[in-house]
Amino acid sequence: DGGITQSPKYLFRKEGQNVTLSCEQNLNHDAMYWYRQDPGQGLRLIYYSQIVNDFQKGDIAEGYSVSREKKESFPLTVTSAQKNPTAFYLCASKTGGLGEQETQYFGPGTRLLVL
Amino acid sequence: RKEVEQDPGPFNVPEGATVAFNCTYSNSASQSFFWYRQDCRKEPKLLMSVYSSGNEDGRFTAQLNRASQYISLLIRDSKLSDSATYLCVVNAIAGGTSYGKLTFGQGTILTVHP
Repeated sequence: DGGITQSPKYLFRKEGQNVTLSCEQNLNHDAMYWYRQDPGQGLRLIYYSQIVNDFQKGDIAEGYSVSREKKESFPLTVTSAQKNPTAFYLCASKTGGLGEQETQYFGPGTRLLVL
Repeated sequence: RKEVEQDPGPFNVPEGATVAFNCTYSNSASQSFFWYRQDCRKEPKLLMSVYSSGNEDGRFTAQLNRASQYISLLIRDSKLSDSATYLCVVNAIAGGTSYGKLTFGQGTILTVHP
């Protein structure tokens, strides 16, 4: 099956702890994205990567870090510097190009809760 | 002003009703427009792209008005299964380039009741 997988589904973080959220895709997509969604709000872009070994900050990158060592994988680390990490984290990917090819496809998400 | 604005609702309609959602966007250089559907505690899924000439997919019709920077979604003959949050999505443009970034509205909640 082709698609985007995220793990874990739920993640609990203690104060001062770094945690890493996994995102893998087998769609052969070049670009990958990380979003955060808070209740009653739209998605906000954290980081994105258009190609392997390259990534850019989104609108709310502070307290987060990413890597893109493989085309299929784009892990997100939530660091202790992120003071309000409780949210629903969504990973997405897309092919290159414009128009309909701007369409992004999402993984099932990870819910992060702070203990 | 938010880049993409939607009426959050909620819209509560009976089965069989017709319901319309509106969305405005602030960046006149935006080129791609979409409606996504998000079920409770699930990921967003593409409902349909929005074309300049308007487009229809079964009971769903999307319209784009570039002059007014306005997008709409019409759902006819509502089903219980249409209950979800509908997200208006626009590609983000900076310096004439999109970099594949999308801007999401906060979503409009629809509940269809028997």
